[in-house]
Formats: sequence, structure tokens, C-alpha cells
Amino acid sequence: QMQLVESGGGLVEPGGSLRLSCAASGFPFSGYYMSWIRQAPGKGLEWISDISTSSYTSYADSVKGRFTISRDNAKNSLYLQMNSLRADDTALYYCARNNNYGMDVWGQGTTVTVSS
Amino acid sequence: QSALTQPPSASGSPGQSVAISCTGTSSDVGGYNYVSWYQHHPGTVPKLMISEVNKRPSGVPDRFSGSKSGNTASLTVSGLQAEDEADYYCSSYAGSNRIVFGTGTKVTVL
Repeated sequence: QMQLVESGGGLVEPGGSLRLSCAASGFPFSGYYMSWIRQAPGKGLEWISDISTSSYTSYADSVKGRFTISRDNAKNSLYLQMNSLRADDTALYYCARNNNYGMDVWGQGTTVTVSS
Repeated sequence: QSALTQPPSASGSPGQSVAISCTGTSSDVGGYNYVSWYQHHPGTVPKLMISEVNKRPSGVPDRFSGSKSGNTASLTVSGLQAEDEADYYCSSYAGSNRIVFGTGTKVTVL
């Protein structure tokens, strides 16, 4: 069945970096746009980044210049490099399959905590 | 890139209908027919309920319906059931491959 599995979350100090990964299976990964969405504690869902099938990228203003999305179709994997992390980046990070701008497959999420 | 506006809460008795609004601008909701709705039970993964304004993915009950007028989209849940109690989020394409989510609505089944 279609599945997305995130990894790479953890505790990091302000100003630090983390790289999240998302392993896809059960569908033709290279044929779909992919997205990262996060949910801070007690807050709503926030779209943060998208990558097209041709690796065109887009970012929310809140992460532009600090986060970089990428994909490796040979490995059926999506990545999010997060630099200059701040306390307000603390959240559960989901990867999702973007199907005509509807996220129809979601991973379970990986938690990122930014704290000293 | 402001979040779409949703009412914080909505409620209804079992069997009744509840409608949730999602207000944006001509740069997102009003400009594209790419409005989606998600059901999110806390502690679980969000579930796509409606895509492209009014399309139901396979497996979503036909009690859930979507519509749009101008810069406002709506999700209607008919015949409310206890399991419909959840947080609901809208999202819209906002141009240049960007997406914006709504502020979220907590639906309570009385």
C-alpha cells in the first residue's frame, strides 16, 4: 500500500541544523509533487515547502532562505534540510504526496524540537 | 501569505448538518479551483476529505461535500456522526506552487 515514512527529527539547539527524510513506497514517487507540512504544538497545519516532479521548489515565507527541499527519485526519497533553526520551528513535520494540491497520502510525522 | 480564515468552532447534534467556511482572497481561494479539506483527529494523521473544491477521494462518505463562491469555500457535513468530531482544515493553491492552509475549525458533535 502507499506509504510515507519520515525520519531525522530530534532535539537541536537554536541556530542548529537538521535534515529530515521521507521514504516513499507503493506509488510511482517520481510522478508526484511532494510537500512538507508542519504542526506546532497547539497550532494548526502549516504548509512549508513543495517540490515538483521536475524539482521546481517553493517555500513558505517563514522558512525561505533557511530550509531546502530536495528529492531523489532513484531512492524514492524526499528531504528537507533545515538550517538556522529557531524555537518557533518546533513542530511535528509531515511529508505528504501532493495530488493536484490535495495532500492525499501523509506520513506519520517526525518531531523537531528546537531548544537550548 | 496569510492563513485562510475559518471559524474556530462549529457544532451540531447527531443527524444534523454543519457547514464550515474558509475565506481567502482572489490570490488563493478565489483564483483557483484547488481547495482541499482535511479531517484531523488529534494524535492521528490528517485525512484528505475533499479536493479540487468538491471532489471526494475514494472511501470518503458522501455526507461530506464541498463548494466555493468567490473567495469563500465551504465544507458541509450532513447527517453528523460521533466520529465526525475532529479538527477540519481547508487549504488552497496560492500560485507559484505555494499552498496555504486555513486556521482550522474544531467540530463538536453534541
